[in-house]
Amino acid sequence: TQLLEQSPQFLSIQEGENLTVYCNSSSVFSSLQWYRQEPGEGPVLLVTVVTGGEVKKLKRLTFQFGDARKDSSLHITAAQPGDTGLYLCAGVVDSNYQLIWGAGTKLIIKP
Amino acid sequence: NAGVTQTPKFQVLKTGQSMTLQCAQDMNHNSMYWYRQDPGMGLRLIYYSASEGTTDKGEVPNGYNVSRLNKREFSLRLESAAPSQTSVYFCASTSSPERGNQPQHFGDGTRLSIL
Repeated sequence: TQLLEQSPQFLSIQEGENLTVYCNSSSVFSSLQWYRQEPGEGPVLLVTVVTGGEVKKLKRLTFQFGDARKDSSLHITAAQPGDTGLYLCAGVVDSNYQLIWGAGTKLIIKP
Repeated sequence: NAGVTQTPKFQVLKTGQSMTLQCAQDMNHNSMYWYRQDPGMGLRLIYYSASEGTTDKGEVPNGYNVSRLNKREFSLRLESAAPSQTSVYFCASTSSPERGNQPQHFGDGTRLSIL
């Protein structure tokens, strides 16, 4: 069974602070996707990282795919209350293109 | 911009009752999925349909059945609801997962409580 360990599960910080969320696995993924979920809604894709070592930036969010394509991180610089939400990582399995999901990180940014 | 539409949004059932969750997408996607989301456990795949006319079991299929009615619609049925099936259910779709890097598009979920 493939697993994707996501940490931390919960993070509450002040506006303006930086934070990093991690996703780790012993399995290799063809790509990895990051989603954000608001209360009462379904997850929405933020970014897909494909190549080992790849770094993608979306404004204050930086996503990195590990060299071995087994892990990924999401770094938020100068967090804002609008960043509050549940962040989910999902690894794409080579053999059947299914997604293996992390348990999620619930992020609260206090003004 | 409907995307993926799920009905109902909320439902309360008694143990042993049956019900069908409906899902429809208007993006002409080939693949559709049913997930359940429980606190601290992320999304777990119940069933999926890679294309019209096919369905396959996911990680947690027991107690559920599905029907891919046509390319747009994919329903999930609970034949005899159990309290362990209390969860938030999400339907998702994607165009062609074999092309890689395709996002899944989600509905807003059905919040189901089994008493």
